[in-house]
Amino acid sequence: EPEVTQTPSHQVTQMGQEVILRCVPISNHLYFYWYRQILGQKVEFLVSFYNNEISEKSEIFDDQFSVERPDGSNFTLKIRSTKLEDSAMYFCASSNTGGGYGYTFGSGTRLTVV
Amino acid sequence: KQEVTQIPAALSVPEGENLVLNCSFTDSAIYNLQWFRQDPGKGLTSLLLIQSSQREQTSGRLNASLDKSSGRSTLYIAASQPGDSATYLCAVSSWDNYGQNFVFGPGTRLSVLP
Repeated sequence: EPEVTQTPSHQVTQMGQEVILRCVPISNHLYFYWYRQILGQKVEFLVSFYNNEISEKSEIFDDQFSVERPDGSNFTLKIRSTKLEDSAMYFCASSNTGGGYGYTFGSGTRLTVV
Repeated sequence: KQEVTQIPAALSVPEGENLVLNCSFTDSAIYNLQWFRQDPGKGLTSLLLIQSSQREQTSGRLNASLDKSSGRSTLYIAASQPGDSATYLCAVSSWDNYGQNFVFGPGTRLSVLP
């Protein structure tokens, strides 16, 4: 069964450093998403991406965050200057249609900022 | 702003029992509602999606109902098994983004004891 692949599974970084979280969505999917889950808290929407541009972003997705689809297969989330409160599990998801159908999540990247 | 709550927060049942998980949302103008399963260290798996015009969806031992007017959904699990142990998340989407992005509840952590 097709999977959304995220790398690395765990990343530790120092406060103030830049990190790039990588995702390989399912190949025929057109919609891409990032969510995060701070330990013990709800899963929160960050950003959605379609047709090579951001279609929606949440209040959390401020100027320190950016997303990119650098080639035909990868979808990345960059955090420019990490803060302690950025420590969370980051989930990538993709879907082949809008409307929430066929939503497939990756296993997540646990980001720890020290 | 949409808020999603789930009760109970945790549930422990013996194998074979039927059980009901509850979800409530504050804004009834939803596009759809989706139930996910989250296993430790893994991503989220979509279980059932109910469109706003639908009343219920079934998949195997799972049945999800939706009462949009009262802002409630239930997930019914029949003949529970130890393999059902996981956290179950309810999520709703809105017409603003044509159902693409989800607001999640905090989840119900289910333990099915052999």
